[in-house]
Amino acid sequence: QQPVQSPQAVILREGEDAVINCSSSKALYSVHWYRQKHGEAPVFLMILLKGGEQKGHDKISASFNEKKQQSSLYLTASQLSYSGTYFCGTGSGGGADGLTFGKGTHLIIQP
Amino acid sequence: DVKVTQSSRYLVKRTGEKVFLECVQDMDHENMFWYRQDPGLGLRLIYFSYDVKMKEKGDIPEGYSVSREKKERFSLILESASTNQTSMYLCASKRGTEAFFGQGTRLTVV
Repeated sequence: QQPVQSPQAVILREGEDAVINCSSSKALYSVHWYRQKHGEAPVFLMILLKGGEQKGHDKISASFNEKKQQSSLYLTASQLSYSGTYFCGTGSGGGADGLTFGKGTHLIIQP
Repeated sequence: DVKVTQSSRYLVKRTGEKVFLECVQDMDHENMFWYRQDPGLGLRLIYFSYDVKMKEKGDIPEGYSVSREKKERFSLILESASTNQTSMYLCASKRGTEAFFGQGTRLTVV
């Protein structure tokens, strides 16, 4: 079952902040975030594991609340290069762990 | 660099044909995945494999099968292609935390 992402789309001006949310009805072991630019393959951003941790690099960070089965991706002071579709993927753990993605959030950064 | 290679970028097949989509990875990853990507529906998991000859159904396995005879190769099979299987197909491989995707195969069934 796909995790649910919100919003479906966001349009921002360069320098503005954005939050993308991801929630699941299943117990989660991990949350994965990917970005896909038009015509390209999705690229890994980060993974968060059970423990309610927050991770980040550069101006992109994420949190994972395992009790609420939710994760949020934070983009701070957005740059033009942040444009693309963001997918959250969820894993339930175990050796045979299928990685299930949401429908994606389209992010458009305008100058 | 990790490389996940899908055999074709574009493919056109006729309804009822048996179609093979091939994916090869060069990093000795245990886990491999097949997704289809459709506008508004995101990435939907068809099948995945966590070892040679091992496979698990994903969210939308109907109409598809898979084969993994060697660790580096994961094949998606459409037994009898139908027009509703027209889509972008993405293969991915993973060991540990990060999945690497191929460039995708855009399949059109006419």
